[in-house]
Amino acid sequence: EPEVTQTPSHQVTQMGQEVILRCVPISNHLYFYWYRQILGQKVEFLVSFYNNEISEKSEIFDDQFSVERPDGSNFTLKIRSTKLEDSAMYFCASSALQGLNTEAFFGQGTRLTVV
Amino acid sequence: EDQVTQSPEALRLQEGESSSLNCSYTVSGLRGLFWYRQDPGKGPEFLFTLYSAGEEKEKERLKATLTKKESFLHITAPKPEDSATYLCAVQAWMDSSYKLIFGSGTRLLVRP
Repeated sequence: EPEVTQTPSHQVTQMGQEVILRCVPISNHLYFYWYRQILGQKVEFLVSFYNNEISEKSEIFDDQFSVERPDGSNFTLKIRSTKLEDSAMYFCASSALQGLNTEAFFGQGTRLTVV
Repeated sequence: EDQVTQSPEALRLQEGESSSLNCSYTVSGLRGLFWYRQDPGKGPEFLFTLYSAGEEKEKERLKATLTKKESFLHITAPKPEDSATYLCAVQAWMDSSYKLIFGSGTRLLVRP
């Protein structure tokens, strides 16, 4: 069964360092998303991406964040200068159908710990 | 303010004891309501999408229903493997775009 895969499963980084979280969406999907879930809190939307550009982003997705689809298969989230409060689970998702989050399939997540 | 509220926060059931989870929402321009299952340390797993009041969808022991103000996830004769956190999310029109708003989830534990 096709699935969204994320690497690494766990990333520890020092405050101020840059991190790149990687995702391989389901191959025939056209819409890609990043979400985060701080421990014990709700899943929060960060950004959606379609046709090689950002289609939606939340207020959380500030200038420290960027997304890229460098090679037609990977979808990355970069945090330029990490802060302690960036520690969370980051989920990548993808969907085939038009429209935000229609039947989105999620990856297993990357647990980011900023120390 | 647009909100999604799930209740109860946690629910313990005996195997075979049917129950319902609630998701109430106050959003304008509802586009769809989604139910997901999340196991510890894993990503949300899509279960259902509901688009209009009166709509119902079923999958094995789960049945989701939607009204104008809330959705219910009914669990019939649950098994221990149904233990998970069940997330409700609403897609709504906000700030000139569609956004997905998640509830806090209901942690379900089914004891054998």
